[in-house]
Amino acid sequence: DAGVIQSPRHEVTEMGQEVTLRCKPISGHDYLFWYRQTMMRGLELLIYFNNNVPIDDSGMPEDRFSAKMPNASFSTLKIQPSEPRDSAVYFCASSQAGGYAGELFFGEGSRLTVL
Amino acid sequence: GENVEQHPSTLSVQEGDSAVIKCTYSDSASNYFPWYKQELGKRPQLIIDIRSNVGEKKDQRIAVTLNKTAKHFSLHITETQPEDSAVYFCAASPQGAQKLVFGQGTRLTINP
Repeated sequence: DAGVIQSPRHEVTEMGQEVTLRCKPISGHDYLFWYRQTMMRGLELLIYFNNNVPIDDSGMPEDRFSAKMPNASFSTLKIQPSEPRDSAVYFCASSQAGGYAGELFFGEGSRLTVL
Repeated sequence: GENVEQHPSTLSVQEGDSAVIKCTYSDSASNYFPWYKQELGKRPQLIIDIRSNVGEKKDQRIAVTLNKTAKHFSLHITETQPEDSAVYFCAASPQGAQKLVFGQGTRLTINP
């Protein structure tokens, strides 16, 4: 398996624009997680899915952020409108048994810069 | 909810010496405690983990200890090497919630 695949790897956009980040989890993994990494706040969990269903979105900063998982092999994280404070590395991760029981496999991350 | 505190935020040691990173957690029901290593510009990767029914686990030069009573756990790296330089994250998984809450990270630098 190629691992967790994220796109784009880098995104530079202007404030107010819509940003869509994409993730393909490892085949057979039931859980998908979106994390945001910044120097100030470290790795923050934004939302996670189990079998394509959102389980906990309490980490989503505000209504500008939304995430979907239309099928087992694809998820998106959308920011609309984007703001400079959204600049961060966004990681997608997947797991076979959930974070409490097994390993999270992270993608390479999407580095977002909002000007 | 669960809160994980990690110390120190930066650590510099001489090659060959030992390094210790400490974490505390708030939810006494948390039952799984992994450590992830993130090299510069790379993704975090699991290096070792421990469950709440175990007090210590070792894998070659790395070991993790858990004190459930005090709600803290530590990562120990012995005989450090330049390739150990990275950011290390501890995490805790609340019981009944299939997610990981991460500490703030420790930037470890091994000086030759």
